[in-house]
Amino acid sequence: NAGVTQTPKFRVLKTGQSMTLLCAQDMNHEYMYWYRQDPGMGLRLIHYSVGEGTTAKGEVPDGYNVSRLKKQNFLLGLESAAPSQTSVYFCASSSWGGSQRGYNEQFFGPGTRLTVL
Amino acid sequence: ELKVEQNPLFLSMQEGKNYTIYCNYSTTSDRLYWYRQDPGKSLESLFVLLSNGAVKQEGRLMASLDTKARLSTLHITAAVHDLSATYFCAVDRSNYQLIWGAGTKLIIKP
Repeated sequence: NAGVTQTPKFRVLKTGQSMTLLCAQDMNHEYMYWYRQDPGMGLRLIHYSVGEGTTAKGEVPDGYNVSRLKKQNFLLGLESAAPSQTSVYFCASSSWGGSQRGYNEQFFGPGTRLTVL
Repeated sequence: ELKVEQNPLFLSMQEGKNYTIYCNYSTTSDRLYWYRQDPGKSLESLFVLLSNGAVKQEGRLMASLDTKARLSTLHITAAVHDLSATYFCAVDRSNYQLIWGAGTKLIIKP
């Protein structure tokens, strides 16, 4: 199993350009997440999905869009990149079904380092 | 406001010493997660604590959870250089999300 993979690993954009980050998981997990990590700020949730065809906003969704057309893939789009979006982006997935007996252990991809000039 | 606070945020220690990282949280969650991140790498799950009084150990690391005090600890015994990393704790929110601490950067000197 590859686990959670992310494409690309690195990217440099100019302000105003657009791009899509791809996350794929082969663990048949229902839940998927996009985070950004900035120095000294821990992880901040951008968007998440609780199943194929569903998406929801996290704490910092502005400037990003997502889609979950297939269960195994979760795409993060930047329509018009800004320097404030320079960050490391992590995708994660979880098998938790929302049950009180379960738990939300998340498994992370290797990350995408994005620089916006 | 829901918060997870870790302390210290930075810790430099000598090999062979013991130390504890603290994770305080403001929710009523009884599930807490510890992760490790090496520099430039991704996050790796270390422990999942699922109830009050839960204790888990892996090598020189031991994590515990006190839900009444809303406190989890990550104890390092006889530290070795390989344990140098950033350690994060996280707790459940009600709507499928985790709330993350800011991380504790641990440097262990030979």
